[in-house]
Amino acid sequence: AQTVTQSQPEMSVQEAETVTLSCTYDTSESDYYLFWYKQPPSRQMILVIRQEAYKQQNATENRFSVNFQKAAKSFSLKISDSQLGDAAMYFCAYRPYNNNDMRFGAGTRLTVKP
Amino acid sequence: EAQVTQNPRYLITVTGKKLTVTCSQNMNHEYMSWYRQDPGLGLRQIYYSMNVEVTDKGDVPEGYKVSRKEKRNFPLILESPSPNQTSLYFCASSSRGEEYEQYFGPGTRLTVT
Repeated sequence: AQTVTQSQPEMSVQEAETVTLSCTYDTSESDYYLFWYKQPPSRQMILVIRQEAYKQQNATENRFSVNFQKAAKSFSLKISDSQLGDAAMYFCAYRPYNNNDMRFGAGTRLTVKP
Repeated sequence: EAQVTQNPRYLITVTGKKLTVTCSQNMNHEYMSWYRQDPGLGLRQIYYSMNVEVTDKGDVPEGYKVSRKEKRNFPLILESPSPNQTSLYFCASSSRGEEYEQYFGPGTRLTVT
């Protein structure tokens, strides 16, 4: 079964600095999708960024970018110019290409210090 | 507005009293899922559905039932709730096409005493 591991339960960053959240996953599939979701105190799950495994280019969304290393099964999230509103729980997630069996990591709680 | 709705948002119940949490989406999505979120464990999938009348067990299906009689609805049923089912529950839906992003409902906080 596929598993997703986030080894950092908590991280903190100074406002305007850069932080990287780690995620590794285990799968025997060659085609799949990877996601980072943000969960603020409101509990709403918000998609931050997504990556298709067949694409070699790393996804970028404004201040958010990923470092996707397919061979290493690693999918880290970099947040640049951190803002107070970035403080939240962040979840890494994996989904196979042809079904809906989505797996989440345990999450990383990010604190942003002013 | 495209959305996934869940009801109720909060529920306190007693052990053994059957309950249903409803989930509905207005995006004509084929895929729907139920998750539970517990501290330190992230989100774990309970059941998922690939289409009407097609459901599969996720990681933690014990004690739960689902049905998918209509494309837009995917209710979660707890026939005999127990305290270990106290959790935050999310329903989600997604398309099987290019737009594969999962859209999440607002969550249901369930407490079983």
